[in-house]
Amino acid sequence: EVQLLESGGGLVQPGGSLRLSCAASGFTFSSYAMSWVRQAPGKGLEWVSGISGSGGSPYYADSVRGRFIISRDNSRNTLYLRMNSLRAEDTAVYYCAREGVIVGATGGDYWGQGTLVTVSS
Amino acid sequence: QSALTQPASVSGSPGQSITISCTGTSSDVGAYNYVSWYRQHPGKAPKLMIYEVSNRPSGVPDRFSGSKSGNTASLTISGLQAEDEADYYCSSYTSTSPSVFGTGTQVAVL
Repeated sequence: EVQLLESGGGLVQPGGSLRLSCAASGFTFSSYAMSWVRQAPGKGLEWVSGISGSGGSPYYADSVRGRFIISRDNSRNTLYLRMNSLRAEDTAVYYCAREGVIVGATGGDYWGQGTLVTVSS
Repeated sequence: QSALTQPASVSGSPGQSITISCTGTSSDVGAYNYVSWYRQHPGKAPKLMIYEVSNRPSGVPDRFSGSKSGNTASLTISGLQAEDEADYYCSSYTSTSPSVFGTGTQVAVL
């Protein structure tokens, strides 16, 4: 059974940092691209970042480029999102999603339950 | 990358058919057959309903169908059921950023 479990969310002050993790199981992790998608309270979905199965090709939305870093450890079946210089507008539930071979091409067929990040003083 | 445009809300009676549109540009929806559709119930993670414009993942009822014409993709739900009341989002591969979502559509079953 495919499972994705996010962790690492919480309350952080503006300008602070957090690292989210997404532990994957039930499939060959390195064979799939992965993405982070967020949803601000009461708002729609926003694609944030994606990475190829090998980890060699990271992609970012303009809203987070230069502040967020996506990475993966295929030996630990874990996806990460390092978030720096956090702003109030980064407050959202962050989901990790399994993609196909190409980020953004075939959609996220499995999603985690999400982890809430709140940026506030 | 601007969000794809969807109607804010669509409604229908049980058993009816509804269609949700998703309008993009020649750099995303119009350029690639990589449009996906998701259903999201309140407080839950999104669920993939359609991928690559018109393909259904295993387990998704054939009441759900997708199509595309030019820069606009569409999701049709036939035989509307109470469980279909949810938010629906489209997404597309793009030439500038791998992925962009639509603005979302709230479906009401009257």
